[in-house]
Amino acid sequence: GAVVSQHPSWVICKSGTSVKIECRSLDFQATTMFWYRQFPKQSLMLMATSNEGSKATYEQGVEKDKFLINHASLTLSTLTVTSAHPEDSSFYICSARDLTGDSYNEQFFGPGTRLTVL
Amino acid sequence: GNSVTQMEGPVTLSEEAFLTINCTYTATGYPSLFWYVQYPGEGLQLLLKATKADDKGSNKGFEATYRKETTSFHLEKGSVQVSDSAVYFCALRNSGNTPLVFGKGTRLSVIA
Repeated sequence: GAVVSQHPSWVICKSGTSVKIECRSLDFQATTMFWYRQFPKQSLMLMATSNEGSKATYEQGVEKDKFLINHASLTLSTLTVTSAHPEDSSFYICSARDLTGDSYNEQFFGPGTRLTVL
Repeated sequence: GNSVTQMEGPVTLSEEAFLTINCTYTATGYPSLFWYVQYPGEGLQLLLKATKADDKGSNKGFEATYRKETTSFHLEKGSVQVSDSAVYFCALRNSGNTPLVFGKGTRLSVIA
């Protein structure tokens, strides 16, 4: 299947700093990418849907000024956690949708990024 | 709205035991149903799926049947292995361009 990468895999930062997480579709073009947040022993919570070349659509309760999403190309979306605080510590997972070939409309997931804010 | 409810874990089984992880859903329309697996340190991988009522998805010895009358998509495997230890997520998608909605996940530990 298609491969989605995330970078970094883990990051520790000080409170008040900003952190950027990259999500790349390595062998397919993804017009749509999704960002999820996973709390310990809980499900994946959809944060936003990112469409290439347009503004992201945020789920209710997710602050768009806090979690900046940019999807500038068909293979890259970035999530920037601005002015991070300890409550932002979590596991962030991106997913990309493949609209071509045998994997039509399947969502592929990155390995996740663990963010720890001190 | 759309939601997925799956059995609480963790589930601990001996090797070669029978596995069932229950999953029920609430959705408008006719969703597609999925099981994803997350192995330690890895991203979610699609395990199997079913797109309409009475379809059976199967992969790696796992099976799940889309039951519209009971709004369920229970995951089963006849004989689990240690390598099946992972977190299993049930999910649905209501129509082509909408994102997946996940259950809370069930952690399975298989001991030799």
